[in-house]
Amino acid sequence: QKEVEQNSGPLSVPEGAIASLNCTYSDRGSQSFFWYRQYSGKSPELIMSIYSNGDKEDGRFTAQLNKASQYVSLLIRDSQPSDSATYLCAVFSGGYNKLIFGAGTRLAVHP
Amino acid sequence: GAGVSQTPSNKVTEKGKYVELRCDPISGHTALYWYRQSLGQGPEFLIYFQGTGAADDSGLPNDRFFAVRPEGSVSTLKIQRTERGDSAVYLCASSQEQGGTEAFFGQGTRLTVV
Repeated sequence: QKEVEQNSGPLSVPEGAIASLNCTYSDRGSQSFFWYRQYSGKSPELIMSIYSNGDKEDGRFTAQLNKASQYVSLLIRDSQPSDSATYLCAVFSGGYNKLIFGAGTRLAVHP
Repeated sequence: GAGVSQTPSNKVTEKGKYVELRCDPISGHTALYWYRQSLGQGPEFLIYFQGTGAADDSGLPNDRFFAVRPEGSVSTLKIQRTERGDSAVYLCASSQEQGGTEAFFGQGTRLTVV
């Protein structure tokens, strides 16, 4: 089992819709969770961090964390073509020493 | 500096040669991470520094890879006897405190071994 798992996609949504990206992790002791956006040919850009169970909202983005189910999600409301990118889920594992990434989910927002 | 800076942006080297990749973290950031990313994959953890010491080097693939951070700021990733399979984008990230907090990436170094 991989430490951080994501559906590779592509996830295709129409402009204006809600995009839902999901991630599961294996280390039950993990306490810090992050979503990064990566455009083709660019480095990952941090867009959300979440540390407690529940929802955290920032503009059009909402991160959701459920530690009991070892599940993290990212919702993007009013999706725009500029949101088309690969979204990487990242989790600190091994006592905060290792920030482990999933393989990423490719999101395509079409007009 | 304002952000994490990596040099060079691109490096082409011949199989068997030695290369050094440099990372200059955000000023004041004590934690520094190196990753390797291949096409279509997520970043693969290589090593984590807290200050000058390597707190976790469990991701280094073999003894050809080595990294240092002698003064707790700039870090250098060193690859000996490069192989074609080492071709990838090497990413560096830094965070303000010890592991567990938000980490910010540099633009990466694209290494091509021919």
